[in-house]
Amino acid sequence: DAGITQSPRHKVTETGTPVTLRCHQTENHRYMYWYRQDPGHGLRLIHYSYGVKDTDKGEVSDGYSVSRSKTEDFLLTLESATSSQTSVYFCAISRSSGSIGEQYFGPGTRLTVT
Amino acid sequence: DQQVKQNSPSLSVQEGRISILNCDYTNSMFDYFLWYKKYPAEGPTFLISISSIKDKNEDGRFTVFLNKSAKHLSLHIVPSQPGDSAVYFCAASINTNAGKSTFGDGTTLTVKP
Repeated sequence: DAGITQSPRHKVTETGTPVTLRCHQTENHRYMYWYRQDPGHGLRLIHYSYGVKDTDKGEVSDGYSVSRSKTEDFLLTLESATSSQTSVYFCAISRSSGSIGEQYFGPGTRLTVT
Repeated sequence: DQQVKQNSPSLSVQEGRISILNCDYTNSMFDYFLWYKKYPAEGPTFLISISSIKDKNEDGRFTVFLNKSAKHLSLHIVPSQPGDSAVYFCAASINTNAGKSTFGDGTTLTVKP
């Protein structure tokens, strides 16, 4: 158990509404990541964080923003949800103190945008 | 341009036999490779990794082989068990790159009893 929780676990929302997903870790790790997974695709990095208030874009960041005001929480916001953002979202941490190592994933949030 | 490719979407093997999952990459800067396993409705879990300075890493029934010249890695599972049935993702990363990984699309392994 990597001590990662995600909330909500399931959400249905309408096109155009804002949505915020929360990732919470209990282990005080520096690196945190948000991925999305779509059928037939692997995990694609949306945004990542390398410390409090330190974030950067991943490969599919358009339409998403993130914030990290505390070490333990990493928030993903869809400012105006679209149907193309229907997906399963995974948060991950790296336990490595350096910049390389395996990641540990939360249970995922299934988001449906109608 | 997909930098990490798993060309076989699915693989079916008999219990007790060897499962071989393959992965190809295009970016020669990748120097750390990982395999993850994912069950339905769960997050991926780390399985095994290998650094580019090695060509083999073994952990129990799982062995990862790396062929840098061919930009190819493979995961061997011996013997395969029904509980190994899952989606397997190959991932690659670059040292000094904030631990970011690039994932393949996954291979669904089915181990038949």
